[in-house]
Parts: sequence; C-alpha cells; structure tokens
Amino acid sequence: ETGVTQTPRHLVMGMTNKKSLKCEQHLGHNAMYWYKQSAKKPLELMFVYNFKEQTENNSVPSRFSPECPNSSHLFLHLHTLQPEDSALYLCASSQDKARANEQFFGPGTRLTVL
Amino acid sequence: GQQLNQSPQSMFIQEGEDVSMNCTSSSIFNTWLWYKQDPGEGPVLLIALYKAGELTSNGRLTAQFGITRKDSFLNISASIPSDVGIYFCAGQLYTSGTYKYIFGTGTRLKVLA
Repeated sequence: ETGVTQTPRHLVMGMTNKKSLKCEQHLGHNAMYWYKQSAKKPLELMFVYNFKEQTENNSVPSRFSPECPNSSHLFLHLHTLQPEDSALYLCASSQDKARANEQFFGPGTRLTVL
Repeated sequence: GQQLNQSPQSMFIQEGEDVSMNCTSSSIFNTWLWYKQDPGEGPVLLIALYKAGELTSNGRLTAQFGITRKDSFLNISASIPSDVGIYFCAGQLYTSGTYKYIFGTGTRLKVLA
C-alpha cells in the first residue's frame, strides 16, 4: 500500500450504532488530519494530530472521538450520530503540522447515518 | 468568520477550451493552494502559491496569488476530458494566534468531448 488509505470506503449506520473509521499513511509523516466534506459546503477541518498529540479540535461534537495510537494510524470513533453527520470523511497527512501546505489526502469514507 | 468565495460553482466546457476559476475573500492570506478531487477520491494538490503576485504553472495549469493577497485564480488551458472533477482553492491565514486553512466550496468542471 502507498500513500494514505482509509477503511471502510463506505459505511451505513444507525443512530444508535458505534463504528470506527480507520486511516493509515505509508509516507512517514508525523501529522494527520480528519476532515468532513458535505455536499456544497467547504471542507471542514475536524482534528489535527502532530507527533501523536492532538493539536486542534475545531469544536467537533463529542459523538466524534479521534484516536492516534502512532504516527501512521488515525481513527475516528463514532457513536450516537445524527443524520446530518452523513458526509465524506477524509483523512490527510503531512510531514508535520508546520508543513500542512503539503497534505496528502486519502480517498475518504462515505458515511450515511440512517 | 473568514470564508472563501469560489466561482463559478460549476461549468460545462468543450474539449480544447481554456478554463478560468477564482477564489476571493475579504481576509488576507499567506498561502493559496489549489486542489483537484476526482469522483470517489480525496483532493490532490495541484499548485501551491506562497507570495503575493506569484504566478506558477503545472503543465496546462497556471495559478496566481493575487497582489492584494485576498484572491487567487486557476487557469486550465486546452482542456481534456480527464480534467473533469471538482477544483478547490484553500487559503492559509494567521488568526487568533494560529495558522488556519480555509477551503472554498469548489468548482465542478465538466468537459464535453
């Protein structure tokens, strides 16, 4: 595998389910990001991790819980989501947060909340 | 809050035509980035601009960092069918003691063969 991979690519879940999104980067980067992409809205940065430490949380509801066990892996744990949380969730990585200009994105997970 | 106005929202063009799109804001940016997103994929960085007035090319793509630092444009020359996709601008600005990236809403390009 090369670049940034995300699994699953598609996820349908009920509002009472608990699920997790996974991101893995094979680029040797130290910063990782979660974005939400909704139709006709700008990309929204959710969380930033730099050297496994969370450095940004852009007022994301607590039903989204990130986890970064090491610099190569990033998870987004989901629980009791709402239908308006349906979106494409993109993961990205960069060498470090200082080089956020050079982010590489994964293909995203298309999430549908019923 | 800060926002980027990207236009046009969508466009249909004939193969071979040139394309122009832009992003404007009321805020001053330090960096402008242009991305392309193909269906089912994440955005891919096309061009990064770091200085006001900078004009940078990447193949048939040319982008400029506006002199006022409040805008940027992207041109695609001699479009081909594989240019179809969504083009996003993003700007970096310094606010509240930190650097933030703001993304535009995208320009959806469709090329008619």
